[in-house]
Amino acid sequence: GDSVTQTEGQVALSEEDFLTIHCNYSASGYPALFWYVQYPGEGPQFLFRASRDKEKGSSRGFEATYNKEATSFHLQKASVQESDSAVYYCALSDYNNRIFFGDGTQLVVKP
Amino acid sequence: EAAVTQSPRSKVAVTGGKVTLSCHQTNNHDYMYWYRQDTGHGLRLIHYSYVADSTEKGDIPDGYKASRPSQENFSLILELASLSQTAVYFCASRRTGASYEQYFGPGTRLTVL
Repeated sequence: GDSVTQTEGQVALSEEDFLTIHCNYSASGYPALFWYVQYPGEGPQFLFRASRDKEKGSSRGFEATYNKEATSFHLQKASVQESDSAVYYCALSDYNNRIFFGDGTQLVVKP
Repeated sequence: EAAVTQSPRSKVAVTGGKVTLSCHQTNNHDYMYWYRQDTGHGLRLIHYSYVADSTEKGDIPDGYKASRPSQENFSLILELASLSQTAVYFCASRRTGASYEQYFGPGTRLTVL
């Protein structure tokens, strides 16, 4: 079945560091890929999406590129801030409208 | 702006009691979902619905029922609450179509004692 794997359970960085959170997926065809962010005490919020190979999604300085060959959609940001501390979820949507989430990655940014 | 609201925001229930969590959306979306989130874990799908008066089982439906009486409302029912159902529950809505994102509510923190 379809699935999403996030390899890092937690990432700890200092402000202005470069961020990469890895996301790999398993699905047939061209699923839509998403990143969501969840702040403490809130529901997840949509960050951005990509729907086809080599498409780049971006928002608030975060970006990820759909890579069908590598089945990846890694989240990156050039310079993180303390306010970026949150849990980040990678997700995919298949043509049956089922949504599959990764386990999430806790980002901690120290000032 | 799209909106999903949940009630109650927090609830304490007794083991064996009945619990109903409610979700209301003003997005005019066809799809609605119920997830649970346990401390330190991700989102697990309990039930979902793509049309009023119809619900579908998700990945962890045991011990839960769902009801979609209208497009706007989607309830999660725990007929016999158990300690293991202590968690935060999120409702979400979404337009039909694989490329559309979900809009989540603020969550309901359920504690079963």
